[in-house]
Amino acid sequence: QSALTQPPSASGSPGQSVTISCTGTSSDVGGYNYVSWYQQHPGKAPKLMIYEVSKRPSGVPDRFSGSKSGNTASLTVSGLQAEDEADYYCSSYAGSHVVFGGGTKLTVL
Amino acid sequence: EVQLVQSGAEVKKPGESLKISCKGSGYSFTSYWIGWVRQMPGKGLEWMGIIYPGDSDTRYSPSFQGQVTISADKSISTAYLQWSSLKASDTAMYYCVGEVAATGRAFDIWGQGTMVTVSS
Repeated sequence: QSALTQPPSASGSPGQSVTISCTGTSSDVGGYNYVSWYQQHPGKAPKLMIYEVSKRPSGVPDRFSGSKSGNTASLTVSGLQAEDEADYYCSSYAGSHVVFGGGTKLTVL
Repeated sequence: EVQLVQSGAEVKKPGESLKISCKGSGYSFTSYWIGWVRQMPGKGLEWMGIIYPGDSDTRYSPSFQGQVTISADKSISTAYLQWSSLKASDTAMYYCVGEVAATGRAFDIWGQGTMVTVSS
């Protein structure tokens, strides 16, 4: 199965907002409200930031928000902070398995 | 504390077999799915498969079906990922993941990772 499509990079200045897209198909992103987003800092295990499109696990700042329209999901980081610089991956349930996006490197300028 | 603790790094030769482990603690191991995620050096995340330790129901990514075996021993709260014949292309970090507080195949618990290096 094909990976979900993410832009390889995104950037923003501290305090700004940035949105990362994640495009799939009607068999994954568009077919289920089971899109998740993960943050990974270098050398660390990924961390769940968003699940079920827009829900935040306990402890995740409300600066992180998720949405979906059709076959494309989005992660928005508002009020960018230096510690937000990391790789971000989307994933989606796809019927009997899970598919990840290729990842987006977020740079805080 | 809810956590997944994985076995240590491995260095193997092509053709050898390997079984790595992931021990869950701080929650009801049999009640939540545990999966495995591969990350090749410098690359992205790839979902390999998932098991429900309560009844050993197992699902595989089409990309990994037949290439690896996922199992679990609920008596010791441990999940496993195994290969019968390793290839150099299996060199990667492998994470076990748990779907505990989150839902919808979202993994809120991650092990620390097991680095597998396959080289002659």
